[in-house]
Amino acid sequence: GAVVSQHPSRVICKSGTSVKIECRSLDFQATTMFWYRQFPKKSLMLMATSNEGSKATYEQGVEKDKFLINHASLTLSTLTVTSAHPEDSSFYICSARARGGIEQYFGPGTRLTVT
Amino acid sequence: AQSVTQLGSHVSVSEGALVLLRCNYSSSVPPYLFWYVQYPNQGLQLLLKYTSAATLVKGINGFEAEFKKSETSFHLTKPSAHMSDAAEYFCAVIRHSGGYQKVTFGTGTKLQVIP
Repeated sequence: GAVVSQHPSRVICKSGTSVKIECRSLDFQATTMFWYRQFPKKSLMLMATSNEGSKATYEQGVEKDKFLINHASLTLSTLTVTSAHPEDSSFYICSARARGGIEQYFGPGTRLTVT
Repeated sequence: AQSVTQLGSHVSVSEGALVLLRCNYSSSVPPYLFWYVQYPNQGLQLLLKYTSAATLVKGINGFEAEFKKSETSFHLTKPSAHMSDAAEYFCAVIRHSGGYQKVTFGTGTKLQVIP
């Protein structure tokens, strides 16, 4: 089946620094990738949708200058949290969809802790 | 517009008992419906999906769900709960049109299996 990986699985960073999270589709070409944020005991909140080679589309209320998304290839998308604050601490999950497909395949998630 | 309602944020069943997790949806177009399972600190794993074919859908780990248009429901069931089924379950509706896709997740139901 389709596999999506994320790296790192856990990261701790200091307030004010930036951190990059990678999302890779390992065995298929992902024309669209999605980034979600999950708060404790909550559902997933879609942050943005990125199509390969074009700018990401951000959901309302998500700061595009703070959460930089790059989808430079059909197998890699990155989320960079810039000038991180403690309130950015969360579980970030990516998913990927192949061209013409309906199903999204989810990565294992990245736990970000900002101290 | 589309939405998903999961009744019951927590469900407890005894090992070997029937599992029933409820999901109701609203969608302005024929929906694609999914059930995902999430184990602690992990991403989402697809259990099963409805994409306008058979209304009774069988998934992994013995789970199945029935799409009932008249009731706008897509409840998840398993005849006999196993300890390993303890996890959080999310129902999702996907609006898919051409290259555009939007996923709406329910708030999740945490399943506890009592030995």
